[in-house]
Parts: sequence; C-alpha cells; structure tokens
Amino acid sequence: GQNIDQPTEMTATEGAIVQINCTYQTSGFNGLFWYQQHAGEAPTFLSYNVLDGLEEKGRFSSFLSRSKGYSYLLLKELQMKDSASYLCAVRDSDYKLSFGAGTTVTVRA
Amino acid sequence: TAGITQAPTSQILAAGRSMTLRCTQDMRHNAMYWYRQDLGLGLRLIHYSNTAGTTGKGEVPDGYSVSRANTDDFPLTLASAVPSQTSVYFCASSPSETDTQYFGPGTRLTVL
Repeated sequence: GQNIDQPTEMTATEGAIVQINCTYQTSGFNGLFWYQQHAGEAPTFLSYNVLDGLEEKGRFSSFLSRSKGYSYLLLKELQMKDSASYLCAVRDSDYKLSFGAGTTVTVRA
Repeated sequence: TAGITQAPTSQILAAGRSMTLRCTQDMRHNAMYWYRQDLGLGLRLIHYSNTAGTTGKGEVPDGYSVSRANTDDFPLTLASAVPSQTSVYFCASSPSETDTQYFGPGTRLTVL
C-alpha cells in the first residue's frame, strides 16, 4: 500500500510563490500525479512525474525525487483562481492511484 | 464533447435502500474507475475496470458492486445503503490503465 502525506492547508498572497510538499512510502512506484480540485468540482490533472527532476508547465512546476519519496508542486505568480485543493497521488506497480488527503491553498489579495 | 457525465448530481437516500450511480464517458476510454471522497481522507478507489467485460476491487469495495457491459458505461450499485456510505462519488476514466485519469463531476450521496 501507499502512505502519502501533504500539509492540510497553506495560505499565500496574490503574486507570490507557494510550494506544496508531498512525501510518500510505497510498496511499488509507477509515477506521481498532481491534481487541482476547486470546491465542489472534480479533480483536474495538473502534472505527472515518473523520473527524478523538475517538470515545468507554465506557472506550475512539479519535482520528484524517487530515492527520497518526495515531490513538490510549485505555484508561481499566484492568482485568486489558484485557491483550491491540490491532491498528490502515487501510482503503484498495478497502475492504481493512491491519493493524499489534499492541501487547501488560499490565495489572499 | 461531454467527456464524463455522472448522474444524479446529488441524492438523499434512506438507509437500507438500493441505489445505482451512473457514469458514462464518450471518449472511448478503456479504463474506468469509481472513487469516494471523504473529508480528511482523500480519494479512495472502490472498484475499477481496465476494459469492457472486466472489473476489479479497489481499496474500499465492501457494500458496492459494479458492472461493465460496454465501453461507455460503468454503473456503481449500493445494494443496501448505510450511513457510512455518505460521501462524494467520482467516476474517472483513462485511455488505458497506464494513462492519466480524468474525472467526472461527482455525485453527492447522503444516506440517512
């Protein structure tokens, strides 16, 4: 099984940068995903890492270190619309996702 | 395209009653999934189907059943609902089991 930890809540100011950490313990690893979920809506795919290193996609970047069981999602130039929950999910050797409880990010003006 | 649709959007159900949550996708994805999302616990996999005609159990399958008669539809049935099944249920699909999963809008179910 998987044990996935991420902070419950984070608050940041509009225009700032926020880094959401995710640590995991896994019996098999086949990639790590980040999803964004606005309140009352479905999770939407943000990023995928399977190799160590940084993946950049516009204002969002995701980093993975497999040896440390660690990932982070970096949100730059924060906008009010970035207020949401961010879900870290690890895929196991059977290609099944296990999700963390999510990090609620609040962006303040 | 519609992508993934779920019905109903929300439902209040008396304990002991049965209920089928519907999920339909028009992307011809082979793999489909059912998750429940509870506060503080994150999304947990209930059942999955890697291709039409096959299903498998996820992390929390007890009290739920699924079928996959064709590629597009993946209904989730609660045979006799209990209050602990109060949750938000998300259906997801992916082109294959090795691809990224995409989620439907969810069904909010309250069992009283």
